[in-house]
This record gives sequence, structure tokens and C-alpha cells, in this order.
Amino acid sequence: ETGVTQTPRHLVMGMTNKKSLKCEQHLGHNAMYWYKQSAKKPLELMFVYSLEERVENNSVPSRFSPECPNSSHLFLHLHTLQPEDSALYLCASSHQVDPGAYGNTIYFGEGSWLTVV
Amino acid sequence: AQSVTQLDSHVSVSEGTPVLLRCNYSSSYSPSLFWYVQHPNKGLQLLLKYTSAATLVKGINGFEAEFKKSETSFHLTKPSAHMSDAAEYFCVLYGSSNTGKLIFGQGTTLQVKP
Repeated sequence: ETGVTQTPRHLVMGMTNKKSLKCEQHLGHNAMYWYKQSAKKPLELMFVYSLEERVENNSVPSRFSPECPNSSHLFLHLHTLQPEDSALYLCASSHQVDPGAYGNTIYFGEGSWLTVV
Repeated sequence: AQSVTQLDSHVSVSEGTPVLLRCNYSSSYSPSLFWYVQHPNKGLQLLLKYTSAATLVKGINGFEAEFKKSETSFHLTKPSAHMSDAAEYFCVLYGSSNTGKLIFGQGTTLQVKP
């Protein structure tokens, strides 16, 4: 248990659906992240939020829309997805954005498995 | 450009024998390097972290890694494998500031045979 909770753990959606992934942390962290893990590809950073402001958008298609209403919650809104978007979506958090800073560790949730049909 | 290469996609060892998972990196910055482990249907767990202090880094569960700048390597080792070590291992690079962007390797699957 890392303190980062993701829901739902599994989601199946059609290409015309709208759904959301939720991430929650009560670790007192100020930075939150969305990563995508596809089969046979390295994990890819999607978005980074620091103190509820987006600081990184790693060329992600607009059909993925993040929302960070407060420092404890992060959402990923999904709409008109494609089958190739099927993947494991991992949320993570840390005290600050710099993973190399002393004492700053990025903690990952267990992920949300998304299947687009 | 920054990159991480894990030299083996799959490593198989017998229980009780040493583990070596190889990682090379490329970075124009002074890098921070990490090893994460992912067990089936679980999130990523940090094993250890190098951030320009001691070049030999000790982590959890008996793992350690040595940063070798001359070889641009950060190999992960463990003296004696345990069945519970079977998992996917990721070598991860952080080389830039203020964006939080980790660069992941492709992963190495460690199989431990009884």
C-alpha cells in the first residue's frame, strides 16, 4: 500500500463513451502525475501537476483531459478514445516535482486497466 | 537527448544465485537514476535511488546498484535471489529539472526458478 489510490481498477469503454479515472493521495504531496503503460512500450509520462497547476503536458491527445481540483485528487477524463489507448494508467505523487531531490520519492498507485472496445 | 536502455528483456536465475539486471543511460545532465519493481497487478515500488551522492546505492530487499559514470551504467544486483523477487524491473532516469519527467527503460522480467 503506497498511499496512492486509483479507481476504478478496471474499466471497459466504447469509443463514444465518456469516463473518468480517479486518483487520490493523502500523503501531503504537492505533485501528482499520470503515466501510461502500454504493452511492449516503456512507461510514458502524460501529465504533471504541481500545487494544482499543470506543469507538463507530454504531447498527449486532447481526448485525454486531466483535472486537479486540489492537491489530493487527480482525474483523467476520457472521451472518444481509440482502441490503441487501451493500457494501464498509473497515477503517482511526490512532495515536489523534482524526483532527484533529496528525500523526494515518487509513489505510484496500482493503476487503472483501461480497455477501449 | 536522454535515454535509458535495459540490456536484457528477460533474466532467469535459480533461487539462491546472484541477480544482475543491466542498465545503461544517456543524459546531458547530471542524472538521477532509480530502479523500480512491479509485481503482477501491482503498482511500481521504488527499490533504490541515486542522486549524486554515494555511487554504491543500497535499496530495499537486499538490492543494490552502482553508478558508473565512465561506463554510463547503473546495474542492479542482489547476492541471492528469492522466489518473491520474480517481477518486472525498470531502470529510470531523471535528467532535467522542474518537469518531473521520468524516462523509463523497457523493463526486465526477472524469473526465479526453484
